Amino acid sequence: EPEVTQTPSHQVTQMGQEVILRCVPISNHLYFYWYRQILGQKVEFLVSFYNNEISEKSEIFDDQFSVERPDGSNFTLKIRSTKLEDSAMYFCASSDSGRALIFGPGTRLTVL
Amino acid sequence: RKEVEQDPGPFNVPEGATVAFNCTYSNSASQSFFWYRQDCRKEPKLLMSVYSSGNEDGRFTAQLNRASQYISLLIRDSKLSDSATYLCVVNFRTGTASKLTFGTGTRLQVTL
Repeated sequence: EPEVTQTPSHQVTQMGQEVILRCVPISNHLYFYWYRQILGQKVEFLVSFYNNEISEKSEIFDDQFSVERPDGSNFTLKIRSTKLEDSAMYFCASSDSGRALIFGPGTRLTVL
Repeated sequence: RKEVEQDPGPFNVPEGATVAFNCTYSNSASQSFFWYRQDCRKEPKLLMSVYSSGNEDGRFTAQLNRASQYISLLIRDSKLSDSATYLCVVNFRTGTASKLTFGTGTRLQVTL
């Protein structure tokens, strides 16, 4: 069964550093997403991406964040100048229709 | 009013019991509806889509009431393996932009 993969599974960084979270969506999917989940809280939408551009972003997704699809398979989330409150589980997801999403296993980001 | 609202639980039920979860959503223009399941520290996994006519998948039955903006999930003959958090998810789509909004989830614990 096709799956979304994410690397690394756990990233520890110092406050103020930049991190890049990587995702490989399902190969024939056209819609890509990043969500995050702070421990004990709900899953929150960050950004959606279609046809090589951002189609929607939340108020969380400010200038600190950027997404890129550098080649035909990878989808990355860059977080610049990380803050303590960026510590969360970051989930990548993809969809063939823009309706139901398939999520990757997540990257746990810990900012110290 | 929250975009997607659920009773956080926990619901503690004995094995074999029937349990029902409810969810309300605020955006009347929402277009697609889903129940996802999330195990502790794992990614959300699609359990089932929810249709206006109601739909069933084995022991699981989902229903949608658009007039009341209300979604339900019924689990019959609960198994220990059903213990998880059940997430009510609503999709609102404009053009190519598609955003799934998650409820906080309802935690289910099935006991012997």
